[in-house]
Amino acid sequence: DTAVSQTPKYLVTQMGNDKSIKCEQNLGHDTMYWYKQDSKKFLKIMFSYNNKELIINETVPNRFSPKSPDKAHLNLHINSLELGDSAVYFCASSQDGTGWVTIYFGEGSWLTVV
Amino acid sequence: QKEVEQNSGPLSVPEGAIASLNCTYSDRVSQSFFWYRQYSGKSPELIMSIYSNGDKEDGRFTAQLNKASQYVSLLIRDSQPSDSATYLCAGGHTGGFKTIFGAGTRLFVKA
Repeated sequence: DTAVSQTPKYLVTQMGNDKSIKCEQNLGHDTMYWYKQDSKKFLKIMFSYNNKELIINETVPNRFSPKSPDKAHLNLHINSLELGDSAVYFCASSQDGTGWVTIYFGEGSWLTVV
Repeated sequence: QKEVEQNSGPLSVPEGAIASLNCTYSDRVSQSFFWYRQYSGKSPELIMSIYSNGDKEDGRFTAQLNKASQYVSLLIRDSQPSDSATYLCAGGHTGGFKTIFGAGTRLFVKA
């Protein structure tokens, strides 16, 4: 059983389109995240949700809108895609939202904007 | 100063040698520290966590934490080609709620 699963794994789309990435965790964790990893491998937090409540929003453009229908799911919708949005997006979860515990990552969603 | 800094490498070591990976952190990072391994095209996975000053050993891996010097390291003994990956140092933000990652060090173990 995959602990943190996200779909789709690969996404190629044109500039200006809107796309969504879905994520689910079956670890019973309270906290879920979206991280972005750019071409230089730098892993940067975008959003953090704890029990469906947004606790971290790291100055991400408002074209990115997360949504957590319950604590096991965290989706990411991106409007008006730009070339600079091309990256790998990792969903992740942790037992709590302190930032001081292990983070479990999904397999990543490779987004390419052309 | 970046919150978590690592030398991007690449670090190249021969098979069987000790690989030493280093990381420094700012005052904005504290409490807990982690080493994650990321193979090319894969997601990061935890290797070790360390919370107290000193050494922590797990198999071929030893993590070292020096809070006074704000320094964390990972030693890999008897390095194997399968250890070739990017190693991400991470720490809990002092204000809580998030883990900060370094840019990673690429390690190559030559057979």
